[in-house]
Amino acid sequence: SAVISQKPSRDICQRGTSLTIQCQVDSQVTMMFWYRQQPGQSLTLIATANQGSEATYESGFVIDKFPISRPNLTFSTLTVSNMSPEDSSIYLCSVDRKNNEQFFGPGTRLTVL
Amino acid sequence: AQSVTQPDIHITVSEGASLELRCNYSYGATPYLFWYVQSPGQGLQLLLKYFSGDTLVQGIKGFEAEFKRSQSSFNLRKPSVHWSDAAEYFCAVGVGSARQLTFGSGTQLTVLP
Repeated sequence: SAVISQKPSRDICQRGTSLTIQCQVDSQVTMMFWYRQQPGQSLTLIATANQGSEATYESGFVIDKFPISRPNLTFSTLTVSNMSPEDSSIYLCSVDRKNNEQFFGPGTRLTVL
Repeated sequence: AQSVTQPDIHITVSEGASLELRCNYSYGATPYLFWYVQSPGQGLQLLLKYFSGDTLVQGIKGFEAEFKRSQSSFNLRKPSVHWSDAAEYFCAVGVGSARQLTFGSGTQLTVLP
């Protein structure tokens, strides 16, 4: 398995501000993913982050709202921009390994007031 | 596009009883199938996966799942539930290289003493 850490673990933010979430992996991985889990809901894929290229966004998610960086093979950031209360969710990063298993970080619990 | 249905939103069982959580998927070919568990305040933990071969797969914590192509199902089972199994369970399907997961809506499991 992979050891994945996320920072911050939780935050409370004001409407209109932005928050950058960090995801750190203990080994090099090709692909990293960002998911959103809204309160009481399942996980929805936001985007796939490849090192050295632009992130690929799923339908309903745009780069201006959720810019992603992937500067190297062990690190990625997701920014939630111009936040509104509807952005209150748990944001999780995950990585896939060579045997096609995805491992998830502990998540970042975001509350927007 | 692929989809996953978990028809049971909430299941309650007594400790020591058997458990079956249902999962149906929609996809044109044989997908990669996964079960994850999410305990309160915790990230997602992979219980088991099916890629090919034997349709009955064993996972961690005494769980198993059976892939039935004719029914497009991948139900999770455990012969004797423990109180620590109380959590939310997510079925997920991966297509292609299994690198992008589509999750079901989840089943919340309550275990009675």
